[in-house]
Amino acid sequence: KNEVEQSPQNLTAQEGEFITINCSYSVGISALHWLQQHPGGGIVSLFMLSSGKKKHGRLIATINIQEKHSSLHITASHPRDSAVYICAPGGADGLTFGKGTHLIIQP
Amino acid sequence: KAGVTQTPRYLIKTRGQQVTLSCSPISGHRSVSWYQQTPGQGLQFLFEYFSETQRNKGNFPGRFSGRQFSNSRSEMNVSTLELGDSALYLCASSWTGSQAYEQYFGPGTRLTVT
Repeated sequence: KNEVEQSPQNLTAQEGEFITINCSYSVGISALHWLQQHPGGGIVSLFMLSSGKKKHGRLIATINIQEKHSSLHITASHPRDSAVYICAPGGADGLTFGKGTHLIIQP
Repeated sequence: KAGVTQTPRYLIKTRGQQVTLSCSPISGHRSVSWYQQTPGQGLQFLFEYFSETQRNKGNFPGRFSGRQFSNSRSEMNVSTLELGDSALYLCASSWTGSQAYEQYFGPGTRLTVT
């Protein structure tokens, strides 16, 4: 079973700050997903990556397969980034989910 | 292109009853996965279907079952409902599977068991 640790669990920051969310997992995977969930439940897939780094606008995701670690960065954070961010390593048995990071960006 | 749709969006059932939830994937997607989300356990994988075959199953009792039809639409069924089954049930579709392809999530069905 893949054990997934996300940190921090909760994060409150000021608009414009650089945000980092970390995810560690215990079992080798084929890919890792970063998800965003807004109040009300809707989930959006932000990234799916199996190596290196990906960038979409102000969001950057990195993964180190050897160290079993991934990070999600948000540059120039904005109140609309307030949401729960969830990492989900994917292996032969499907996706395993972290507990999520509850992010609040204050104006 | 239409997104993933789930019906119904909200459901209230009584202990002991059974329930069927439906998921229509994005056109062309052949894989559908189901997840349960509760405040205590977070998101948990239920099962994945690909081309009408169950490819993976999470650690849930046999009361939870599913199927996929030839048009890739999927249903999940929960029999003999328990209070602990109250949750948000999400489905997600992808081209061939969750591990290596981006997942597209539906809005979810919020099930309340009383």
